[in-house]
Amino acid sequence: DTTVKQNPRYKLARVGKPVNLICSQTMNHDTMYWYQKKPNQAPKLLLFYYDKILNREADTFEKFQSSRPNNSFCSLYIGSAGLEYSAMYLCASSRLGGPNYAEQFFGPGTRLTVL
Amino acid sequence: GDSVTQTEGPVTLSEGTSLTVNCSYETKQYPTLFWYVQYPGEGPQLLFKVPKANEKGSSRGFEATYNKEATSFHLQKASVQESDSAVYYCALSDLTQGGSAKLIFGEGTKLTVSS
Repeated sequence: DTTVKQNPRYKLARVGKPVNLICSQTMNHDTMYWYQKKPNQAPKLLLFYYDKILNREADTFEKFQSSRPNNSFCSLYIGSAGLEYSAMYLCASSRLGGPNYAEQFFGPGTRLTVL
Repeated sequence: GDSVTQTEGPVTLSEGTSLTVNCSYETKQYPTLFWYVQYPGEGPQLLFKVPKANEKGSSRGFEATYNKEATSFHLQKASVQESDSAVYYCALSDLTQGGSAKLIFGEGTKLTVSS
């Protein structure tokens, strides 16, 4: 099973309110990623977990948090949503090493709309 | 920093015609290059990858050659089908200090094939 699941698929949030998005995978992948995708823009990496180590991109460091309570789950947390957070959020996972090195498996995404 | 630029979309073709989606990249490293495809309602999925310069990747009738001199990785298909309608992303992997491969995407090219 090469499925990455994301919940919810659609999320409506109010400005200033927190948002928590969930991702899960059962492939025993050591790395999980979160990307933000806005219309007519490339998917942009926000952060990733390699095992238990969180790496956040410098330009979004303060805007997003994440947790990975176990190997299978990873969350993306926005403490106070702003209109600029409206986007599709894609979760992906991968395993280092082997023939599929660097191949990332993506979930279907969560569409976040902030009003 | 690293970047990927690809044909601006959308692209509309008739079944049986040929496709070329241009992809150019900039990096100081020696990346692996990817083409991902995203169908409606799904996350991006790997079409194929090419880890070495001057090699060709292919899948489902699509192909691309890793041209290190021209820093290009153009996607081609001789005869498209309606089922090829999707968004195509060119990407390169950026090996981080932690060893986890980070993907840098182009903006995506939406292909619509009419019968």
